[in-house]
Amino acid sequence: DIQMTQSPSSLSASVGDRVTVTCQANQDISNYLNWYQQKPGKAPKLLIYDASNLRTGVPSRFSGGGSGTHFTFTISSLQPEDIATYYCQQYDNLPPTFGPGTKVDIK
Amino acid sequence: QITLKESGPTLVKPTQTLTLTCTFSGFSLSSSGVGVGWIRQPPGKALEWLTLIYWNDDERYRPSLMSRLTISRDTSKNQVVLTMTNMDPVDTATYYCAHFESITLFGVVAPWYFDYWGQGVLVTVSS
Repeated sequence: DIQMTQSPSSLSASVGDRVTVTCQANQDISNYLNWYQQKPGKAPKLLIYDASNLRTGVPSRFSGGGSGTHFTFTISSLQPEDIATYYCQQYDNLPPTFGPGTKVDIK
Repeated sequence: QITLKESGPTLVKPTQTLTLTCTFSGFSLSSSGVGVGWIRQPPGKALEWLTLIYWNDDERYRPSLMSRLTISRDTSKNQVVLTMTNMDPVDTATYYCAHFESITLFGVVAPWYFDYWGQGVLVTVSS
């Protein structure tokens, strides 16, 4: 299985701050990476696919980048409704694997 | 509008078999490139993919759980069923079904992204 790691595991930031989460794969996965947002008690929601493509309807303050083994997820201006845990997920190989998540909250 | 909803028992005893049903609408599981997967999440932990079924009835399983899992579909009812045998307390989790689009990578069809999810059902394994 491809192992995914994320850092940090949690962060606190102020409204309006730029927030960046990193995701690393233990082997080259090209750009075969998705990002999901999960709010407490809710199902995950797809935000970004193919590492950098924003899903239709997702606010443009969310963005993703990277390729190979190192990826980033950025919220350009943190909003109160962005409080959630964010997961990366690779689809280069079966089984699809998720990162451990990064919990984002407001300082 | 695509929707999915999981149903089944919320409490099972150790060694019992779990059967969960995913009832969906807004798409056909006969449409090329479409599939439904099951993903679970133990309380406070990360997401773990379990199994999936493609539009062409092809199935894939998490290798470490393959001997315990079965996925099937009833296209006429718009349902996908997950069966998991020999349940253990470590299987306590919220179980989600999700719609996915597939992609061909290196000549192999793979799940691309899980874009619509059910609300999940918390299954507790306890005697």
